[in-house]
Amino acid sequence: KAGVTQTPRYLIKTRGQQVTLSCSPISGHRSVSWYQQTPGQGLQFLFEYFSETQRNKGNFPGRFSGRQFSNSRSEMNVSTLELGDSALYLCASSESGVASSPTGELFFGEGSRLTVL
Amino acid sequence: AQKVTQAQTEISVVEKEDVTLDCVYETRDTTYYLFWYKQPPSGELVFLIRRNSFDEQNEISGRYSWNFQKSTSSFNFTITASQVVDSAVYFCALSEAFLSGYNKLIFGAGTRLAVHP
Repeated sequence: KAGVTQTPRYLIKTRGQQVTLSCSPISGHRSVSWYQQTPGQGLQFLFEYFSETQRNKGNFPGRFSGRQFSNSRSEMNVSTLELGDSALYLCASSESGVASSPTGELFFGEGSRLTVL
Repeated sequence: AQKVTQAQTEISVVEKEDVTLDCVYETRDTTYYLFWYKQPPSGELVFLIRRNSFDEQNEISGRYSWNFQKSTSSFNFTITASQVVDSAVYFCALSEAFLSGYNKLIFGAGTRLAVHP
């Protein structure tokens, strides 16, 4: 069974640009979550999608947005990039969420490392 | 507000030593889950365990064991007879049923464990 795939793995952007990151969940998984990981703030929840609907959202500005497609693939977009957006962006999938699955396991991808210059 | 504290930033041990990683959490929710994840250098988070707030039984899985105590709001993780392959960053996380939603994981800052031969 293929794992969670995130693309691109590495990217460099300049301030003011926008970026789109992609996440392909494990086949059959309908819940996709996004997390930002930085040395200063640690791991922070961005949003979670289930069956194309956003179920939960973290405390990030409106420049951070996401969506989920009918095949459960998800994208997140960051507009007007700032230096502080440099981070590892992690995507995680599960069948239907941490509460409803037997083990509660979230399957994480290896992340997209964004550098903003 | 909800919070997870991992007071130990870094721990260094010699192989075969036992090591305990501490986790203290804060929540006003009555129903919640606690998790431990491991992050190896490759970046993806690897699920170790989920425990719900109604189950205070300790759990053992091979060399790993977890001690959940609601009275002290702690969920500590012990590795017995540590091995070099255990070297990683370990994260404790909390998700709340009602106040912030099950599928939003709140992570601690992580503890970097280095096991030396």
